[in-house]
Amino acid sequence: DQQVKQNSPSLSVQEGRISILNCDYTNSMFDYFLWYKKYPAEGPTFLISISSIKDKNEDGRFTVFLNKSAKHLSLHIVPSQPGDSAVYFCAASDAGGSYIPTFGRGTSLIVHP
Amino acid sequence: DVKVTQSSRYLVKRTGEKVFLECVQDMDHENMFWYRQDPGLGLRLIYFSYDVKMKEKGDIPEGYSVSREKKERFSLILESASTNQTSMYLCASSLSIGAGETQYFGPGTRLLVL
Repeated sequence: DQQVKQNSPSLSVQEGRISILNCDYTNSMFDYFLWYKKYPAEGPTFLISISSIKDKNEDGRFTVFLNKSAKHLSLHIVPSQPGDSAVYFCAASDAGGSYIPTFGRGTSLIVHP
Repeated sequence: DVKVTQSSRYLVKRTGEKVFLECVQDMDHENMFWYRQDPGLGLRLIYFSYDVKMKEKGDIPEGYSVSREKKERFSLILESASTNQTSMYLCASSLSIGAGETQYFGPGTRLLVL
């Protein structure tokens, strides 16, 4: 049973436009969410995170939005660049239980020049 | 900068062989993890360790074991490799226990079992 779902396996966006990657979760105990980015032949690297006490966190071109009532978060990349082409993993963890993050299956983003 | 290294980038083994995957981190992190990544399945946790000689099963431990004799080194062992263990194996470490702790990943080992 997937507790963290990334329902879009892939996303294609034009350079300069906005990329929106979505993530849904089912476990209401999750209270910390992270996004990782993975290039081919490399390990994932941390991108941005948000705790459940916030509904938005911004870092440069990357913004994560959290909607707790809908159990939904999204990663916005504005403007998108070809170097953003990678697989993006959403992860969620529960501070009061298992702190080990549960990962989604990933979304492959392709940014076309 | 945290560095997590894995002993091999690519490995080819035969069914039934015993396989060792080694991972070393250089930042004195408490926690270490082994994941496998398969297309369409994301990252699945095999085992993790929160201290030397301590280990905990993850979501898919069957067919694997681990060893952590030193803080910086975490080994994944395939006792008798099978073709369904062909995968990308990723090691990670994190400084301490906590829901928001960032994990630092190695570059991965792509294992092919024939």
